[in-house]
Amino acid sequence: GAVVSQHPSRVICKSGTSVKIECRSLDFQATTMFWYRQFPKQSLMLMATSNEGSKATYEQGVEKDKFLINHASLTLSTLTVTSAHPEDSSFYICSARDQWPSGGQAGTDTQYFGPGTRLTVL
Amino acid sequence: RKEVEQDPGPFNVPEGATVAFNCTYSNSASQSFFWYRQDCRKEPKLLMSVYSSGNEDGRFTAQLNRASQYISLLIRDSKLSDSATYLCVVNWPAANTGFQKLVFGTGTRLLVSP
Repeated sequence: GAVVSQHPSRVICKSGTSVKIECRSLDFQATTMFWYRQFPKQSLMLMATSNEGSKATYEQGVEKDKFLINHASLTLSTLTVTSAHPEDSSFYICSARDQWPSGGQAGTDTQYFGPGTRLTVL
Repeated sequence: RKEVEQDPGPFNVPEGATVAFNCTYSNSASQSFFWYRQDCRKEPKLLMSVYSSGNEDGRFTAQLNRASQYISLLIRDSKLSDSATYLCVVNWPAANTGFQKLVFGTGTRLLVSP
């Protein structure tokens, strides 16, 4: 199946610093990538939808100036957490939608998830 | 009403048992439904899609009831390796734009013991 990678897998940083997380689709082109956040014992919450070559669409309550998303190519999207604070500590997961899955139809909802990035802000 | 609602569990069952999870969703316009499995501190992995007619994959059977907006997952002959959190996932079309996103339930935790 399709593979999505994330880097780094884990990051610990001081409060006030910025952290960049990369999400790559390794064997398919992803015009759309999604960024989720998961706090302990809670479900995945969609933060934003990233479309290649255009601005990201943020969910209600997610600050676009704090969580900067760049989707410059069909295989790479980045999430930058600016001026991170301890309350930003969470598990950040990206996913990518395979626009043309084999045997499937264009625009299906199959999303492939990256392994996640665990962010700890001290 | 929550967008996607699941019993958080945990469900504690012995090996070999049959266990069923239920899920309800609030958006009648949803068209795609999935069960994902998430192990502790890992990303979710697609277990199976759920089709209107119901579908089976080995020991796993998924059912969809659109009228009741209800989805179920049945696991037969539970294995120790089935211990995980099972996430009910529903696509969420936006009324005006047609844009779709996935909405995740909080998950049901399953613990299979020897």
